[in-house]
Amino acid sequence: DIQMTQSPSSLSASVGDRVTITCRASQSISSYLNWYQQKPGKAPKLLIYAASSLQSGVPSRFSGSGSGTDFTLTISSLQPEDFATYYCQQSYSTPSITFGQGTRLEIK
Amino acid sequence: EVQLVESGGGLVKPGGSLRLSCAASGFTFSSYSMNWVRQAPGKGLEWVSSISSSSSYIYYADSVKGRFTISRDNAKNSLYLQMNSLRAEDTAVYYCAREVVLEKNWFDPWGQGTLVTVSS
Repeated sequence: DIQMTQSPSSLSASVGDRVTITCRASQSISSYLNWYQQKPGKAPKLLIYAASSLQSGVPSRFSGSGSGTDFTLTISSLQPEDFATYYCQQSYSTPSITFGQGTRLEIK
Repeated sequence: EVQLVESGGGLVKPGGSLRLSCAASGFTFSSYSMNWVRQAPGKGLEWVSSISSSSSYIYYADSVKGRFTISRDNAKNSLYLQMNSLRAEDTAVYYCAREVVLEKNWFDPWGQGTLVTVSS
């Protein structure tokens, strides 16, 4: 299985900060990388697909980049509603899809 | 509105069985592969199983192979997960998710989840 490693595992930041979360794959996955946001007690929500494409309805302060093994999710200016847990997911080895362990974004 | 609604979760004893359902609406269900993903309490996301649009291709995670069975009824716009020989480590919220394929693939949307608790 392809292992996905996110860093950091948790992060404290303030409203208005620029935040970057990193996801590394154990082997090259081209751009088969998606990002999800999950709030407590809720289902994951798709933010970014194919490494850098913004899902419809997602604010433009979210962006994704990378290819191969290294990927980033950037939030340009944190808003109160952005405090959540973020997961990366590789779909290169479909059907054996794997997720990162998650990054918890907390209010400083 | 595209929507997925899971049901069927609950408390079951180790070794017991449970059948989860996922009702789909707002899209052509028969055109999409579907997936089950679970999340143990306080833990991350784990892919469980997938089924192609016509049920021709079915896959399972090693952790559930031989115990869980995924199926669908396109006439009823419904996805199912039959879970047998349940273990404590199967305790989790189970989500169904539509798989969108446009050269690459991703899950969107997800249902709200249904909690399965395996305990004596």
